[in-house]
Amino acid sequence: NAGVMQNPRHLVRRRGQEARLRCSPMKGHSHVYWYRQLPEEGLKFMVYLQKENIIDESGMPKERFSAEFPKEGPSILRIQQVVRGDSAAYFCASSPRGGTYEQYFGPGTRLTVT
Amino acid sequence: SQQGEEDPQALSIQEGENATMNCSYKTSINNLQWYRQNSGRGLVHLILIRSNEREKHSGRLRVTLDTSKKSSSLLITASRAADTASYFCATEWGNQGGKLIFGQGTELSVKP
Repeated sequence: NAGVMQNPRHLVRRRGQEARLRCSPMKGHSHVYWYRQLPEEGLKFMVYLQKENIIDESGMPKERFSAEFPKEGPSILRIQQVVRGDSAAYFCASSPRGGTYEQYFGPGTRLTVT
Repeated sequence: SQQGEEDPQALSIQEGENATMNCSYKTSINNLQWYRQNSGRGLVHLILIRSNEREKHSGRLRVTLDTSKKSSSLLITASRAADTASYFCATEWGNQGGKLIFGQGTELSVKP
C-alpha cells in the first residue's frame, strides 16, 4: 500500500510564474490536507479538502493560492504569480475520514522561487 | 492563537538517556498528536491521544495529556541515535475536525 505521494519533490520557479503541486492520497483516503513549512518553523495549516469539496480553507492566503481535489486524480495546490516569500516546503496529508484520525504525510514539495 | 508551544526548543542527550518534550496549547481540543520529522523529510505520526485520555504508550514512547493545564508531554525512553529528529505536537479542535495546529517543534539530538 503506497503512502501519500507528492510531486514534484523539488520545484524551482521564477517570480511571477505559476507553481502546481500534486498530492495523491493513500488508497482509500478521501480527506486531504495541505500544510506549509517555512525554514526553521512548524507546519501551518492551509486547506482541508474532501473529494470535490473544500471543507476548510481558513489557512489559505486570500490571493494567488487555490486548491482542488477532483473526483478523479490527485489534489492540486496551485500558486499563481509566485513571489520569493512562497519559498517553502509544502506537505500534503491524507486520512480515511475527517475528525479524530491520524494524518499520513507525504514527503513534501520544496518550492524555491528565484 | 491555538498554536501549541513546545519546550524545550532544542534538546541534546546521550544515547540511553530519556528525553522529555513538553507541549502547551490554549483552547479546548478534540485530540493531540505527536509527529516526528527527520531533516528534509515528511512527518511520521507517533501517537494520538484523545481529550478524555490521560496517558498512552507505544513502544519506548509515553505521552501524557493534562487538559486542566492544557499541556502534554512526550517521553522517549532509552534513546538511540536514530531518534535524532524534530518532534512536533499538533492539536485538533473544533467541529469540522481534521485541521491540525502544529507547535514550533523540539529539535532532539541524541549523541552516540
